[in-house]
Amino acid sequence: AQTVTQSQPEMSVQEAETVTLSCTYDTSESNYYLFWYKQPPSRQMILVIRQEAYKQQNATENRFSVNFQKAAKSFSLKISDSQLGDTAMYFCAFMKHDGSEKLVFGKGTKLTVNP
Amino acid sequence: DTEVTQTPKHLVMGMTNKKSLKCEQHMGHRAMYWYKQKAKKPPELMFVYSYEKLSINESVPSRFSPECPNSSLLNLHLHALQPEDSALYLCASSLSGRRGTEAFFGQGTRLTVV
Repeated sequence: AQTVTQSQPEMSVQEAETVTLSCTYDTSESNYYLFWYKQPPSRQMILVIRQEAYKQQNATENRFSVNFQKAAKSFSLKISDSQLGDTAMYFCAFMKHDGSEKLVFGKGTKLTVNP
Repeated sequence: DTEVTQTPKHLVMGMTNKKSLKCEQHMGHRAMYWYKQKAKKPPELMFVYSYEKLSINESVPSRFSPECPNSSLLNLHLHALQPEDSALYLCASSLSGRRGTEAFFGQGTRLTVV
Protein backbone atom coordinates (compact mmCIF):
# COMPACT_ATOMS: atom_id res chain seq x y z
CA ALA A 1 0.00 0.00 0.00
CA GLN A 2 1.08 3.52 -0.67
CA THR A 3 1.78 5.90 2.20
CA VAL A 4 2.38 9.63 2.20
CA THR A 5 4.22 11.34 5.05
CA GLN A 6 4.24 15.02 5.87
CA SER A 7 6.58 15.49 8.79
CA GLN A 8 5.73 19.12 9.56
CA PRO A 9 2.31 19.42 11.27
CA GLU A 10 2.57 23.23 11.41
CA MET A 11 4.73 25.91 9.85
CA SER A 12 4.73 29.66 9.74
CA VAL A 13 6.37 32.19 7.45
CA GLN A 14 6.50 35.95 7.15
CA GLU A 15 4.73 37.59 4.26
CA ALA A 16 6.94 37.87 1.14
CA GLU A 17 9.34 35.19 2.36
CA THR A 18 9.89 31.67 1.02
CA VAL A 19 8.82 28.46 2.72
CA THR A 20 9.27 24.79 1.86
CA LEU A 21 6.85 22.05 2.87
CA SER A 22 8.13 18.47 2.98
CA CYS A 23 6.51 15.31 1.67
CA THR A 24 7.84 11.79 1.33
CA TYR A 25 6.01 8.77 0.03
CA ASP A 26 6.44 5.07 -0.14
CA THR A 27 5.50 3.04 -3.19
CA SER A 28 6.72 0.15 -5.31
CA GLU A 29 5.12 1.67 -8.41
CA SER A 30 7.34 3.12 -11.12
CA ASN A 31 4.70 5.39 -12.60
CA TYR A 32 2.36 7.57 -10.60
CA TYR A 33 1.17 11.12 -9.98
CA LEU A 34 1.85 13.47 -7.10
CA PHE A 35 -0.21 16.47 -6.06
CA TRP A 36 -0.21 19.29 -3.58
CA TYR A 37 -3.67 20.44 -2.51
CA LYS A 38 -4.49 23.48 -0.42
CA GLN A 39 -7.46 23.65 1.97
CA PRO A 40 -8.14 27.13 3.34
CA PRO A 41 -10.62 27.77 6.16
CA SER A 42 -13.35 27.92 3.51
CA ARG A 43 -12.91 24.10 3.39
CA GLN A 44 -12.62 23.74 -0.38
CA MET A 45 -9.64 21.66 -1.51
CA ILE A 46 -7.81 23.41 -4.34
CA LEU A 47 -5.08 21.91 -6.50
CA VAL A 48 -1.81 23.79 -6.14
CA ILE A 49 0.49 21.74 -8.35
CA ARG A 50 0.74 18.35 -10.04
CA GLN A 51 3.74 16.21 -10.99
CA GLU A 52 3.91 13.16 -13.23
CA ALA A 53 6.52 10.73 -11.96
CA TYR A 54 7.86 9.90 -15.41
CA LYS A 55 8.71 13.57 -16.00
CA GLN A 56 12.07 14.56 -14.58
CA GLN A 57 11.38 18.28 -14.83
CA ASN A 58 10.02 19.80 -11.65
CA ALA A 59 6.54 21.31 -11.99
CA THR A 60 6.04 25.03 -11.39
CA GLU A 61 2.91 27.16 -11.12
CA ASN A 62 3.66 30.85 -10.61
CA ARG A 63 4.94 31.19 -7.02
CA PHE A 64 4.67 27.47 -6.36
CA SER A 65 7.30 24.93 -7.36
CA VAL A 66 8.23 21.42 -6.38
CA ASN A 67 11.48 19.59 -5.81
CA PHE A 68 10.73 16.06 -7.02
CA GLN A 69 13.38 13.50 -6.13
CA LYS A 70 12.10 10.18 -7.46
CA ALA A 71 14.90 8.02 -6.10
CA ALA A 72 14.50 9.53 -2.65
CA LYS A 73 10.69 9.44 -2.95
CA SER A 74 10.52 13.06 -1.95
CA PHE A 75 8.15 15.74 -3.22
CA SER A 76 8.57 19.08 -1.45
CA LEU A 77 6.61 22.25 -2.19
CA LYS A 78 8.27 25.66 -2.27
CA ILE A 79 6.14 28.77 -1.93
CA SER A 80 7.91 31.96 -2.93
CA ASP A 81 6.82 35.50 -2.02
CA SER A 82 4.32 34.12 0.52
CA GLN A 83 0.99 35.92 0.69
CA LEU A 84 -1.60 36.09 3.45
CA GLY A 85 -3.98 34.15 1.22
CA ASP A 86 -1.57 31.21 1.26
CA THR A 87 -2.60 30.49 4.86
CA ALA A 88 -4.18 27.03 4.70
CA MET A 89 -3.72 23.31 5.28
CA TYR A 90 -1.53 21.81 2.59
CA PHE A 91 -1.93 18.15 1.70
CA CYS A 92 0.49 16.10 -0.35
CA ALA A 93 -1.25 13.33 -2.29
CA PHE A 94 -0.33 10.29 -4.36
CA MET A 95 -2.21 8.53 -7.16
CA LYS A 96 -1.19 5.33 -8.92
CA HIS A 97 -1.10 5.29 -12.72
CA ASP A 98 -3.22 2.15 -12.89
CA GLY A 99 -6.58 3.86 -13.19
CA SER A 100 -7.51 3.26 -9.55
CA GLU A 101 -8.52 6.95 -9.37
CA LYS A 102 -7.67 6.94 -5.67
CA LEU A 103 -5.90 9.86 -4.04
CA VAL A 104 -3.90 8.94 -0.93
CA PHE A 105 -3.31 12.00 1.22
CA GLY A 106 -0.66 12.83 3.79
CA LYS A 107 -1.75 14.16 7.17
CA GLY A 108 -1.24 17.75 6.10
CA THR A 109 0.81 20.77 7.10
CA LYS A 110 -0.90 23.81 8.53
CA LEU A 111 0.80 26.87 7.06
CA THR A 112 0.31 30.32 8.57
CA VAL A 113 1.56 33.40 6.72
CA ASN A 114 2.14 36.26 9.13
CA PRO A 115 1.92 39.94 8.14
CA ASP B 1 -17.92 26.52 -15.04
CA THR B 2 -15.27 24.84 -12.90
CA GLU B 3 -17.42 24.30 -9.86
CA VAL B 4 -18.51 21.30 -7.89
CA THR B 5 -21.61 22.27 -5.96
CA GLN B 6 -22.61 20.46 -2.79
CA THR B 7 -25.86 20.81 -0.89
CA PRO B 8 -26.61 21.30 1.88
CA LYS B 9 -23.60 23.07 3.35
CA HIS B 10 -24.57 22.07 6.87
CA LEU B 11 -26.76 19.20 8.09
CA VAL B 12 -27.79 18.09 11.55
CA MET B 13 -29.57 14.75 11.74
CA GLY B 14 -30.72 12.30 14.36
CA MET B 15 -29.58 8.71 14.43
CA THR B 16 -32.97 7.51 13.14
CA ASN B 17 -33.23 10.02 10.30
CA LYS B 18 -32.78 9.46 6.58
CA LYS B 19 -31.11 12.26 4.66
CA SER B 20 -29.21 12.76 1.40
CA LEU B 21 -26.21 14.77 0.37
CA LYS B 22 -26.09 16.08 -3.17
CA CYS B 23 -23.24 16.93 -5.50
CA GLU B 24 -23.40 18.41 -8.98
CA GLN B 25 -20.84 19.30 -11.64
CA HIS B 26 -21.21 20.51 -15.22
CA MET B 27 -17.62 20.15 -16.39
CA GLY B 28 -18.22 16.95 -18.33
CA HIS B 29 -16.23 14.97 -15.79
CA ARG B 30 -16.81 11.23 -15.81
CA ALA B 31 -15.29 10.33 -12.44
CA MET B 32 -16.95 11.44 -9.21
CA TYR B 33 -15.89 10.81 -5.65
CA TRP B 34 -17.08 10.97 -2.04
CA TYR B 35 -14.52 11.67 0.68
CA LYS B 36 -14.98 11.86 4.44
CA GLN B 37 -12.83 14.28 6.42
CA LYS B 38 -12.67 14.39 10.20
CA ALA B 39 -11.39 17.51 11.93
CA LYS B 40 -7.65 18.12 11.46
CA LYS B 41 -7.32 14.94 9.37
CA PRO B 42 -6.83 14.35 5.65
CA PRO B 43 -9.75 13.33 3.44
CA GLU B 44 -10.43 9.60 3.27
CA LEU B 45 -11.87 8.11 0.11
CA MET B 46 -15.29 6.47 0.45
CA PHE B 47 -16.58 5.84 -3.07
CA VAL B 48 -15.59 6.38 -6.69
CA TYR B 49 -17.96 6.41 -9.64
CA SER B 50 -16.48 6.09 -13.09
CA TYR B 51 -18.80 6.60 -16.07
CA GLU B 52 -21.77 6.35 -13.68
CA LYS B 53 -20.73 2.96 -12.36
CA LEU B 54 -19.44 2.34 -8.86
CA SER B 55 -15.77 1.46 -9.28
CA ILE B 56 -14.44 1.73 -5.73
CA ASN B 57 -16.12 1.18 -2.36
CA GLU B 58 -13.57 1.53 0.42
CA SER B 59 -15.42 -0.88 2.72
CA VAL B 60 -17.85 1.81 3.76
CA PRO B 61 -20.68 0.75 6.13
CA SER B 62 -24.01 0.16 4.42
CA ARG B 63 -25.61 3.05 6.30
CA PHE B 64 -23.92 5.15 3.58
CA SER B 65 -25.43 4.48 0.16
CA PRO B 66 -24.08 6.27 -2.92
CA GLU B 67 -26.04 6.90 -6.10
CA CYS B 68 -25.05 8.36 -9.45
CA PRO B 69 -28.29 9.14 -11.36
CA ASN B 70 -26.39 10.68 -14.30
CA SER B 71 -22.95 11.93 -15.22
CA SER B 72 -23.51 15.30 -13.53
CA LEU B 73 -25.03 14.22 -10.24
CA LEU B 74 -23.83 12.25 -7.26
CA ASN B 75 -25.84 11.55 -4.13
CA LEU B 76 -24.96 10.07 -0.79
CA HIS B 77 -27.93 8.62 1.08
CA LEU B 78 -27.60 8.47 4.85
CA HIS B 79 -29.57 6.23 7.19
CA ALA B 80 -29.17 5.22 10.83
CA LEU B 81 -25.91 7.08 11.24
CA GLN B 82 -23.84 7.15 14.39
CA PRO B 83 -22.37 10.20 16.16
CA GLU B 84 -18.90 9.14 15.00
CA ASP B 85 -20.07 9.67 11.42
CA SER B 86 -20.08 13.41 12.08
CA ALA B 87 -17.56 14.89 9.65
CA LEU B 88 -17.07 17.03 6.57
CA TYR B 89 -18.19 15.14 3.46
CA LEU B 90 -16.43 16.23 0.31
CA CYS B 91 -17.48 15.52 -3.23
CA ALA B 92 -14.97 15.70 -6.08
CA SER B 93 -14.91 15.11 -9.80
CA SER B 94 -12.24 14.62 -12.42
CA LEU B 95 -12.07 14.23 -16.17
CA SER B 96 -10.76 10.74 -15.77
CA GLY B 97 -8.54 9.42 -13.02
CA ARG B 98 -6.87 7.08 -15.47
CA ARG B 99 -4.61 9.91 -16.58
CA GLY B 100 -3.96 11.33 -13.14
CA THR B 101 -5.98 14.41 -13.88
CA GLU B 102 -6.87 17.07 -11.36
CA ALA B 103 -9.75 16.41 -8.99
CA PHE B 104 -12.03 19.40 -8.41
CA PHE B 105 -13.57 19.50 -4.94
CA GLY B 106 -16.76 21.00 -3.61
CA GLN B 107 -16.92 22.98 -0.39
CA GLY B 108 -18.31 20.03 1.47
CA THR B 109 -21.26 19.29 3.71
CA ARG B 110 -20.62 19.60 7.41
CA LEU B 111 -22.62 16.74 8.92
CA THR B 112 -23.47 16.48 12.61
CA VAL B 113 -25.19 13.35 13.91
CA VAL B 114 -26.96 13.81 17.23
